[in-house]
Amino acid sequence: EAQVTQNPRYLITVTGKKLTVTCSQNMNHEYMSWYRQDPGLGLRQIYYSMNVEVTDKGDVPEGYKVSRKEKRNFPLILESPSPNQTSLYFCASSPDRGLIYEQFFGPGTRLTVL
Amino acid sequence: KQEVTQIPAALSVPEGENLVLNCSFTDSAIYNLQWFRQDPGKGLTSLLLIQSSQREQTSGRLNASLDKSSGRSTLYIAASQPGDSATYLCAVRNSGYSTLTFGKGTMLLVSP
Repeated sequence: EAQVTQNPRYLITVTGKKLTVTCSQNMNHEYMSWYRQDPGLGLRQIYYSMNVEVTDKGDVPEGYKVSRKEKRNFPLILESPSPNQTSLYFCASSPDRGLIYEQFFGPGTRLTVL
Repeated sequence: KQEVTQIPAALSVPEGENLVLNCSFTDSAIYNLQWFRQDPGKGLTSLLLIQSSQREQTSGRLNASLDKSSGRSTLYIAASQPGDSATYLCAVRNSGYSTLTFGKGTMLLVSP
């Protein structure tokens, strides 16, 4: 089944403890992206990657890192999480930059930083 | 900077009604516009994608239109059903960028 998977789905952590949220797609998509969703603010793009070893900042990149060493994986790294990073996170992928084809979203990761 | 607005923020209708959800964007220089559905606690499901050169797209009971010059899109749902209850999001792909800008969504409730 074609899908985007994220792990973990739920995570509660404490301020300053480094964490990684994994994202993997099995559709051989070139483009991958991370979003966060907050009440009243909607979905905002954090980082995106147009291909292996190519990443770029979205609208809200502060406090996050990403890497794209393999085409299928695009982990989101929080080096020193803070409470304002408590949010619902979504990973997405598409065959191109989204110019022609739609984006497919993962199920989401709910992160709470205490 | 692109801004996307969705009106209304919430909508409650009885089953069987036809309804229209609205999306407007401030910068008309877009590649495409995509409509999504989000169920509570779940991810996003793509409904329709309209390229900037297109005027509308249809899928089953859904019809999305795009008026790029005026910065507007509508999602028309025919003969609504309780299973259509969800939050509907529109998002624009901005020209010259690889970023996607979302509206805050319309929460739809269809009552039996």
